[in-house]
Amino acid sequence: AQSVTQPDIHITVSEGASLELRCNYSYGATPYLFWYVQSPGQGLQLLLKYFSGDTLVQGIKGFEAEFKRSQSSFNLRKPSVHWSDAAEYFCAVGGTGGSYIPTFGRGTSLIVHP
Amino acid sequence: GAGVSQSPSNKVTEKGKDVELRCDPISGHTALYWYRQSLGQGLEFLIYFQGNSAPDKSGLPSDRFSAERTGGSVSTLTIQRTQQEDSAVYLCASSSGGLANNEQFFGPGTRLTVL
Repeated sequence: AQSVTQPDIHITVSEGASLELRCNYSYGATPYLFWYVQSPGQGLQLLLKYFSGDTLVQGIKGFEAEFKRSQSSFNLRKPSVHWSDAAEYFCAVGGTGGSYIPTFGRGTSLIVHP
Repeated sequence: GAGVSQSPSNKVTEKGKDVELRCDPISGHTALYWYRQSLGQGLEFLIYFQGNSAPDKSGLPSDRFSAERTGGSVSTLTIQRTQQEDSAVYLCASSSGGLANNEQFFGPGTRLTVL
């Protein structure tokens, strides 16, 4: 069965600092990988996704993520964080093994200090 | 509409009452998902609809939970005899197909509080 681990429950950064949110997955083959962001009181919005090809994926709002097969990781990065980036971030693995049900991590809450 | 909509946005009910939560997916999207998000938790899958196929109900936590999707569009999640542990945000998502690599578009959720 597929699984997703986001080891950090909370991350605090200063505005303008760089950011890396960790995501590790468990699945035998190359999975479909997603990062979503959830602002307070809103639903989830897709930041970026990886299916195949270039392992460095660019997304919206200046985010990028790198797929590393050897580490089973798909970490999200941003070179300079803005206060508006404060939100909950979810990593997800697309349905695998014939399933169409994605698996979401528990989320990482990003706090941005001015 | 342009996105997924859910109603009501907030629902407060008494223990033991039934509630209905509504989801309007993006027009033309064949796949529809319901999730439950409890405080500090990730998204818990509840049920999945794809076109005219039988829904995948494997995530429903008890027989008090049910959902239907009429005409391949609007979906209603029903919780009977609500319990306090049912308090959560219920999210609906739709996608253009039932493939594992399809992006999901989420509604803003319904916050359910059971007193």
